[in-house]
Amino acid sequence: EVQLLESGGDLVQPGGSLRLSCAASGFTFANYAMTWVRQAPGKGLEWVSSISNGDGYNTYYANSVGGRFSISRDNSKNTVVLQMDSLRAEDTAVYYCAKLKGNPWFVDIWGQGTLVTVSS
Amino acid sequence: DIQMTQSPSSLSTSVGDRVTITCRASQDIGSYLAWFQQRPGNAPKLLIHSASTLQSGVPSRFSGGGSGTDFTLTISSLQPEDVATYYCQKYNSAPYTFGPGTKLEI
Repeated sequence: EVQLLESGGDLVQPGGSLRLSCAASGFTFANYAMTWVRQAPGKGLEWVSSISNGDGYNTYYANSVGGRFSISRDNSKNTVVLQMDSLRAEDTAVYYCAKLKGNPWFVDIWGQGTLVTVSS
Repeated sequence: DIQMTQSPSSLSTSVGDRVTITCRASQDIGSYLAWFQQRPGNAPKLLIHSASTLQSGVPSRFSGGGSGTDFTLTISSLQPEDVATYYCQKYNSAPYTFGPGTKLEI
């Protein structure tokens, strides 16, 4: 069974940093691109970042997080990481890790999410 | 960037109704459109990709159509478990924008 388990969500002050991790299981992790999607409280879904399969050479970011967030992957640990710096109140959201499929990529499996709260 | 819109934003329905949700892209995205269902308190779930391909395990009462800029998600006979918010998403290229969502209520 494919599973994605996010961790690292927490309460952080504005301007702070946080590192989210997503542990994948049930599929050959290195073969698939991965992505992060967030959802602010009571709001819709917002794509955040994606990383290609294999060595993760290709990365993509939403304009709202570019220059502040960084996505990476460790295929030896079946993990994708979202490093979030210079956090703002508007980054408060549930962050979902998701597996991508196909070419071009679409999300086929979602994790359960981890809550990030940015507040003083 | 390509913008995605959905209509209606919310819909009050009844069990057994035929429901159609529309998603529109501001530019041609071919058939690179997915539909997701998000039940209250849950993570989203893929229903349809490639505009009309039903994801494995999704009930056949769900169907998708369209190409280019105009797309539809149809539920042929609404069931109580279909109460959810439905999102479309373009995936032809980054940014992979979602529509604002359509909330179905019974």
